[in-house]
Amino acid sequence: KNQVEQSPQSLIILEGKNCTLQCNYTVSPFSNLRWYKQDTGRGPVSLTIMTFSENTKSNGRYTATLDADTKQSSLHITASQLSDSASYICVVSAGTGANNLFFGTGTRLTVIP
Amino acid sequence: ETGVTQTPRHLVMGMTNKKSLKCEQHLGHNAMYWYKQSAKKPLELMFVYNFKEQTENNSVPSRFSPECPNSSHLFLHLHTLQPEDSALYLCASSHGTSGVGEGETQYFGPGTRLLVL
Repeated sequence: KNQVEQSPQSLIILEGKNCTLQCNYTVSPFSNLRWYKQDTGRGPVSLTIMTFSENTKSNGRYTATLDADTKQSSLHITASQLSDSASYICVVSAGTGANNLFFGTGTRLTVIP
Repeated sequence: ETGVTQTPRHLVMGMTNKKSLKCEQHLGHNAMYWYKQSAKKPLELMFVYNFKEQTENNSVPSRFSPECPNSSHLFLHLHTLQPEDSALYLCASSHGTSGVGEGETQYFGPGTRLLVL
């Protein structure tokens, strides 16, 4: 069964600290893995996307890693800011079309001053 | 803003009401989608339209009726909903449907928060 599991469910960190969010998947075949950021009251916005051959990709203070062998990905946030408070959703694609997108339930990150 | 707008942003309706959600994209895309987002559950794909034609209906109950008059507008007509239909309804768009899943990005609207009483 194609599944995407994210951990932790929620996380609270102090402003300026780093954090790492996890995504484990059982999706097969594998096409790519994308991380979205969803602010409260907003729709998801794409942060990064990685294919099988990529094991790291950065977008500013966000760095995603992918281990296709163990089917794990992480999203590392450096020097967190209050604006990083959001839900982060991992999405794994098994191929063409929206029906081949498998969404995680997200990690809710709260950054406190 | 992502270029995808949704109205209304919040909606409260009784189980016997009829209402409609509206989505408009200003990105020149040809594909549009409805998703349902419930608390602690993954996004659920409901409907897919490509060039105004419905290409996917993921076993959605008939009390949800989509309409796509053109590539820029998408509606979701609601009638006789149940309390378990309360959720955030997200609209998304992309250039086409075949690229989604192969790296093409979907752009999401802010959603309509629906509460069914």
